[in-house]
Amino acid sequence: GENVEQHPSTLSVQEGDSAVIKCTYSDSASNYFPWYKQELGKGPQLIIDIRSNVGEKKDQRIAVTLNKTAKHFSLHITETQPEDSAVYFCAAHGAGSYQLTFGKGTKLSVIP
Amino acid sequence: EADIYQTPRYLVIGTGKKITLECSQTMGHDKMYWYQQDPGMELHLIHYSYGVNSTEKGDLSSESTVSRIRTEHFPLTLESARPSHTSQYLCASSVTEETQYFGPGTRLLVL
Repeated sequence: GENVEQHPSTLSVQEGDSAVIKCTYSDSASNYFPWYKQELGKGPQLIIDIRSNVGEKKDQRIAVTLNKTAKHFSLHITETQPEDSAVYFCAAHGAGSYQLTFGKGTKLSVIP
Repeated sequence: EADIYQTPRYLVIGTGKKITLECSQTMGHDKMYWYQQDPGMELHLIHYSYGVNSTEKGDLSSESTVSRIRTEHFPLTLESARPSHTSQYLCASSVTEETQYFGPGTRLLVL
């Protein structure tokens, strides 16, 4: 089955700096890669996603890049703000699979 | 904003009690899921449903059971709660298996 590795497990950045979280996946048939943000006491919320036929996608300060050959994808947050502090999860979905496979999460702290 | 609700949000209960965690969604999604998560940690799929009268176990073994009698409702039941069941339980729904929308979670503490 699919295996998703996520790094780093914790990340601290100064407000205004950029943050990058990286994930690798094992199943070359995986074709959908969402990113979720989970704030304290809340459920995960989808913030951006990318499909395997696209190399990059942006939404304001957030971008995701995908390298299918290397089987890795990354979340980029620019101009970080304190409200970006949360746990971020990457996930992968393989064609024909019944589930999303999640990474173990990255706790991002943005220091004012 | 996804319309998916979970009740209760917090539950403290004694060992041996029967509990039901409620999950409902108003989006008409056929697919629904239950995940178990230790706070801030990875999500483990314990149950999923493709539609009414369809339920399957996920990768993580769980002593809980689920039912899907109505499209919008996917309750999870523990017949006899134990301290090892202490965790956060997240419900999600989706149109396909891809983009899943999560509820706020139920934090369970079994004493």
